[in-house]
Amino acid sequence: DSGVTQTPKHLITATGQRVTLRCSPRSGDLSVYWYQQSLDQGLQFLIQYYNGEERAKGNILERFSAQQFPDLHSELNLSSLELGDSALYFCASSVEGAREQFFGPGTRLTVL
Amino acid sequence: AQSVTQLGSHVSVSEGALVLLRCNYSSSVPPYLFWYVQYPNQGLQLLLKYTTGATLVKGINGFEAEFKKSETSFHLTKPSAHMSDAAEYFCAVSRSGNTGKLIFGQGTTLQVKP
Repeated sequence: DSGVTQTPKHLITATGQRVTLRCSPRSGDLSVYWYQQSLDQGLQFLIQYYNGEERAKGNILERFSAQQFPDLHSELNLSSLELGDSALYFCASSVEGAREQFFGPGTRLTVL
Repeated sequence: AQSVTQLGSHVSVSEGALVLLRCNYSSSVPPYLFWYVQYPNQGLQLLLKYTTGATLVKGINGFEAEFKKSETSFHLTKPSAHMSDAAEYFCAVSRSGNTGKLIFGQGTTLQVKP
């Protein structure tokens, strides 16, 4: 158990819908990262937040957005969902100054 | 731009045999390097990391990796494979700076035969 929690574990929805994925980092970790894992793209970095502020952006679609709240939990919002958005979405956290990231169990999103 | 190449998407070894999973990186600055393992239906678990200092890094479950700057490699090894080592392994790189975002290789699935 990494100490990073993600909910829900599974999510099944339809095209065009909007979903919210939630992540709670390890106690004391200020940085939260979101990654997408799919068969065709592999593991891709989406976005990083540090202590409530966006720090880095990767290949995140405009239909996707994220935020980190004062209690440091983070949410990834995916809207106007397409079939191709079906993937595993991971959250990871790290301590400031440390390079290793600790991953949550992931949310498996299925868009039908 | 940074990138990571893992040679061999599938590696099969016999139980008790040497495990060697290959990783090469490209980076314009000294990188930080990681190996993660993913068991079926689970998240990624950190096996080991190289940041600075000793180039031979020991990790959990008997794995180790050696950073070779001249070869831009960070291969993962284990002297004797166990059935429980069957999983997918990812090499990743990040660079110094404000963000620690990880760039991952495509992954190598390790099969261990009895």
